[in-house]
Amino acid sequence: AQKVTQAQTEISVVEKEDVTLDCVYETRDTTYYLFWYKQPPSGELVFLIRRNSFDEQNEISGRYSWNFQKSTSSFNFTITASQVVDSAVYFCALDTGGFKTIFGAGTRLFVKA
Amino acid sequence: EAQVTQNPRYLITVTGKKLTVTCSQNMNHEYMSWYRQDPGLGLRQIYYSMNVEVTDKGDVPEGYKVSRKEKRNFPLILESPSPNQTSLYFCASSLVFGNTIYFGEGSWLTVV
Repeated sequence: AQKVTQAQTEISVVEKEDVTLDCVYETRDTTYYLFWYKQPPSGELVFLIRRNSFDEQNEISGRYSWNFQKSTSSFNFTITASQVVDSAVYFCALDTGGFKTIFGAGTRLFVKA
Repeated sequence: EAQVTQNPRYLITVTGKKLTVTCSQNMNHEYMSWYRQDPGLGLRQIYYSMNVEVTDKGDVPEGYKVSRKEKRNFPLILESPSPNQTSLYFCASSLVFGNTIYFGEGSWLTVV
């Protein structure tokens, strides 16, 4: 069975703190894709990153970084020096083909000034 | 501009009154899908389509219908809406498996 678990329902940090959002996935497929999306208070879904199962290189984009570890089936997302504008709900998702994309329940991040 | 457009964005309707939420994409994508988002449950897939005239059920298809007569359009039909279908709905499209999924802006639907 395919599953995505985001165990952190809500996280609250103070501006400039670093924060890591956890994502653990389950699949028996060897080829799959993982995604992170951001949903700001306005409601739209903003694509952040896509990673395929054969590429375990970590990625950094500005203050954002992602750590993909197949050994622990995790794809964690870290925001460095958080800002108020980072306040949003963040979703991790798994795509194993056939357009059956499984989303986690989301983590709501509050960044206080 | 590449986009997925869904309408209406906001709708309050009454139980049993048929409604259609339209979805259109201008990227010539093969895949289209509908999701509903509910608090604490994330996004759950309702139906998806891999090409024209090819549709399949997602995880929560009960109470919904879809059609894919043209590549660009994928309407979601609620034949007899009920209050438990009150939700935020997203249409999405993707070129192929594993590609970035593009989402519409969402449709807030309230059934009273």
